[in-house]
Amino acid sequence: KNEVEQSPQNLTAQEGEFITINCSYSVGISALHWLQQHPGGGIVSLFMLSSGKKKHGRLIATINIQEKHSSLHITASHPRDSAVYICAVTGNQFYFGTGTSLTVIP
Amino acid sequence: GAVVSQHPSWVICKSGTSVKIECRSLDFQATTMFWYRQFPKQSLMLMATSNEGSKATYEQGVEKDKFLINHASLTLSTLTVTSAHPEDSSFYICSARAPKTGRDTEAFFGQGTRLTVV
Repeated sequence: KNEVEQSPQNLTAQEGEFITINCSYSVGISALHWLQQHPGGGIVSLFMLSSGKKKHGRLIATINIQEKHSSLHITASHPRDSAVYICAVTGNQFYFGTGTSLTVIP
Repeated sequence: GAVVSQHPSWVICKSGTSVKIECRSLDFQATTMFWYRQFPKQSLMLMATSNEGSKATYEQGVEKDKFLINHASLTLSTLTVTSAHPEDSSFYICSARAPKTGRDTEAFFGQGTRLTVV
């Protein structure tokens, strides 16, 4: 069993739709990260959370420590949001989810 | 924000040659750096953890004589793939952790290096 589980694995949405990607983890953590990986491979760190909620532009990330669950929301999705979104947690080491491949269709 | 620079972003090399990948923290001192590899359509896998001034800690199954890691300063770690083979072709990514200044658990990622061995 993976320490970090993401769902869905693949997601296709129409431009403008509200998108939610979920992440559950089973280890004790000090922080949770949401990463965005573009088709070329480069990784951008979107959020680092240890509690509550953060917002950056059209992106919102929430975390529930008691339930060991986090969500990444994208409002008014756009084709340029198409990427793989990876959830990662830091405890004694880094654990990565397998990623959610998002495709936003114009 | 903090920046980690990884170089080169892509490299093609011949079988049997060695390739060095650099990971630099540009505006903070990274006491710990991590090296990952990612095969197509798979998750990131931790290869090794390097601490400045000491030997790297390798994950099980990673050959330390093949993947040489050097963390000679607080801003630079290097990964050298020695005697590269086509099966070493992969995407290699580094990340850096800032020291205990309230940002201890923040992870900053390099842009990644796509290695192709022909």
